[in-house]
Amino acid sequence: DAGITQSPRHKVTETGTPVTLRCHQTENHRYMYWYRQDPGHGLRLIHYSYGVKDTDKGEVSDGYSVSRSKTEDFLLTLESATSSQTSVYFCAISGTSGSLYEQYFGPGTRLTVT
Amino acid sequence: DAKTTQPNSMESNEEEPVHLPCNHSTISGTDYIHWYRQLPSQGPEYVIHGLTSNVNNRMASLAIAEDRKSSTLILHRATLRDAAVYYCILRISNFGNEKLTFGTGTRLTIIP
Repeated sequence: DAGITQSPRHKVTETGTPVTLRCHQTENHRYMYWYRQDPGHGLRLIHYSYGVKDTDKGEVSDGYSVSRSKTEDFLLTLESATSSQTSVYFCAISGTSGSLYEQYFGPGTRLTVT
Repeated sequence: DAKTTQPNSMESNEEEPVHLPCNHSTISGTDYIHWYRQLPSQGPEYVIHGLTSNVNNRMASLAIAEDRKSSTLILHRATLRDAAVYYCILRISNFGNEKLTFGTGTRLTIIP
């Protein structure tokens, strides 16, 4: 299994509070991604990174920001959480030779905003 | 972006082959066809990918139509552990940007 972890695995927070989710990899992969998964929508890309300090927006980036200060960590921040951001969040990695075409996914973080 | 169309759900008997179809009529010449699956309460996992030729690996086979407007994922002998949501995805690759666009997939149920 690819060395990718997410923390926390579960979180309940109140509307209006800031939340940061962490994705950590031990594979030295170049690309990292944040997705959210909601019933009826499959997985939707929030933001992705193609290197340290290099990030770009995905399909559903409003309300989210990301940072990548080192190769192994990709942080997703909800500046002011809303109930519509209740979801399961998955981090993924890809991009070294031998696995260029595969994305490896983390176990997910279940976030509930009350 | 090119889209894919899959049936919402399929059923198959255990130990029989399963053919999961995918239509991608607007595929471009450089789009790779990827398949991922998601087991219950887990993140998606890579299954197989191809460009023009049929592909085989230890998990499955991928049959790609000659015009590339459709493809079929083949599980040769389904087991209960193959019950999952299967996603057919066109990999949009532009100067190394490895974005994947997921649809809602096909939920495969295996009948014992």
